[in-house]
Amino acid sequence: EDQVTQSPEALRLQEGESSSLNCSYTVSGLRGLFWYRQDPGKGPEFLFTLYSAGEEKEKERLKATLTKKESFLHITAPKPEDSATYLCAVSAGGGNKLTFGTGTQLKVEL
Amino acid sequence: EPEVTQTPSHQVTQMGQEVILRCVPISNHLYFYWYRQILGQKVEFLVSFYNNEISEKSEIFDDQFSVERPDGSNFTLKIRSTKLEDSAMYFCASSDRGRSTDTQYFGPGTRLTVL
Repeated sequence: EDQVTQSPEALRLQEGESSSLNCSYTVSGLRGLFWYRQDPGKGPEFLFTLYSAGEEKEKERLKATLTKKESFLHITAPKPEDSATYLCAVSAGGGNKLTFGTGTQLKVEL
Repeated sequence: EPEVTQTPSHQVTQMGQEVILRCVPISNHLYFYWYRQILGQKVEFLVSFYNNEISEKSEIFDDQFSVERPDGSNFTLKIRSTKLEDSAMYFCASSDRGRSTDTQYFGPGTRLTVL
């Protein structure tokens, strides 16, 4: 069974204080690893897809990386508007369902 | 920018009643999905749908659940006899193709409260 574990569960940063969120996975035949942002009471908002180890993608203050066992979401100089829950999900094998982790709740303070 | 829409945003129902949750996927997408998120828990896959057929479903998606594409734009999830434990956020998603590498775009969700 596919498993996705995210850490930490919660993270509090000062504005400008860079950090990384971790997503470790155990799957049979990774096809894609997806990062989403979720604001309270809203649906997941797509950020990145990573397909193979060594791949990196960037968008504004966010950078996602992938190894054979885990992915990191690096946040550089965060701002209060980056506060949200960041979700990691994987697709594996022949199916197209996404298996999600429990998320990291990020709060960025002034 | 195209987006997935869902109605209603909040549905309150009595235990044992039937509910229908509605979704309008992104217009050129062919694959549709339902997920749910119980408060404080992870997002869980329920079902995927393509060409008027279920392509994959989870153990959660039992006989109480059904999906339908009643016309060219809507995609619905029906729960026949709601239980207290069905209370959750229900998210619809769509992708342009059904490959496991394709991005799924999510709607804003319907909060279902079963009393």
